[in-house]
Amino acid sequence: AQSVTQPDIHITVSEGASLELRCNYSYGATPYLFWYVQSPGQGLQLLLKYFSGDTLVQGIKGFEAEFKRSQSSFNLRKPSVHWSDAAEYFCAVYGGATNKLIFGTGTLLAVQP
Amino acid sequence: DTGVSQDPRHKITKRGQNVTFRCDPISEHNRLYWYRQTLGQGPEFLTYFQNEAQLEKSRLLSDRFSAERPKGSFSTLEIQRTEQGDSAMYLCASSSRGGASYEQYFGPGTRLTVT
Repeated sequence: AQSVTQPDIHITVSEGASLELRCNYSYGATPYLFWYVQSPGQGLQLLLKYFSGDTLVQGIKGFEAEFKRSQSSFNLRKPSVHWSDAAEYFCAVYGGATNKLIFGTGTLLAVQP
Repeated sequence: DTGVSQDPRHKITKRGQNVTFRCDPISEHNRLYWYRQTLGQGPEFLTYFQNEAQLEKSRLLSDRFSAERPKGSFSTLEIQRTEQGDSAMYLCASSSRGGASYEQYFGPGTRLTVT
């Protein structure tokens, strides 16, 4: 069955430091992968997506993610975190014929001044 | 702005009451999805429409839940005889046909509190 695991429930980084949020997926075929960000009380905003091709994808707000098939991972990175990046981040895989997104449990990012 | 909109944003109801939520998708999108998100969890799929046809329902969607999309535009999600376990954020998303159909755009959600 398709699934997504985000091993880190909560991460705290200092402003200006680099960030990496982990995501591992389980999917039988080539996955379509997504990262979303959710601010408190808000809906989800699409940060970036991977469908095929270049395994390093660029997204909005300076985020990037790298697809590694051998590790079944799609980790999100940002070289320098800003205080406004504090939010919850969700990794998701597209469920193919089922047309649904399967989400991880999320990683809550706190940014220290 | 023509993003996904949801109404109401917040709803407080007493156990046993019925509630209805509305979702207006991005105008050119023919696919519409409902998800439920509880505290500390990621969104979980509830149901999916392509135009006016409801093509998939999750096992999470008990008999007390019903969703419609009568003219292939807006959708409603009704919960009858609400229970405290229904308290959650209900998210609506839409996507277009064709190659971009995998990209789902989410509304701000309706937060339901059942007392």
